[in-house]
Amino acid sequence: KAGVTQTPRYLIKTRGQQVTLSCSPISGHRSVSWYQQTPGQGLQFLFEYFSETQRNKGNFPGRFSGRQFSNSRSEMNVSTLELGDSALYLCASRPGTGLSPPRAGELFFGEGSRLTVL
Amino acid sequence: DQQVKQNSPSLSVQEGRISILNCDYTNSMFDYFLWYKKYPAEGPTFLISISSIKDKNEDGRFTVFLNKSAKHLSLHIVPSQPGGSAVYFCAASLNSGNTGKLIFGQGTTLQVKP
Repeated sequence: KAGVTQTPRYLIKTRGQQVTLSCSPISGHRSVSWYQQTPGQGLQFLFEYFSETQRNKGNFPGRFSGRQFSNSRSEMNVSTLELGDSALYLCASRPGTGLSPPRAGELFFGEGSRLTVL
Repeated sequence: DQQVKQNSPSLSVQEGRISILNCDYTNSMFDYFLWYKKYPAEGPTFLISISSIKDKNEDGRFTVFLNKSAKHLSLHIVPSQPGGSAVYFCAASLNSGNTGKLIFGQGTTLQVKP
């Protein structure tokens, strides 16, 4: 079955602009999480959505927001872009229900959207 | 506050030998740990996980060891293969892994030399 699809793959913005990134999870997966990857920082959790509700939120400013639609597709938005927002934004999906360890924690990641802020 | 740390940014091993990647954590409430592998221009892919109720989990060439008293886990890859050159991330979670929120380390770049 198709994997997690993220669009766009690459984009360039300037400071002060806003950006919207899209994620289509694996069919049947109801949980979508977003992560930011910057050099030397690993992956940092932004937020998780399940059935259109935000379940968890990381330590990011309010400029970072997200939402999930009834078909489980998700978008994240960053407003008033700063140079430090340049990063790879990764979306990951999981079924959200019905699994037990050892596979319960497995996230399926997309290839990411690389954002450059100039 | 880095709750999950991978103190070795890089590691180089010979093909066929063992690769050992290490990870330390500070939050004793973490109850589920995972390892992911990432190639450039691709998303991370799941390798192996372990629950805090165990001290070892094995899956093919991959074995993860957990030392809760030391808050330390390690990933052993035997044998190392050239296709295994990638960035390896360890991650930790609460709620027995039933969450999309993982706390990742900074990653270790493994180079497997032919």
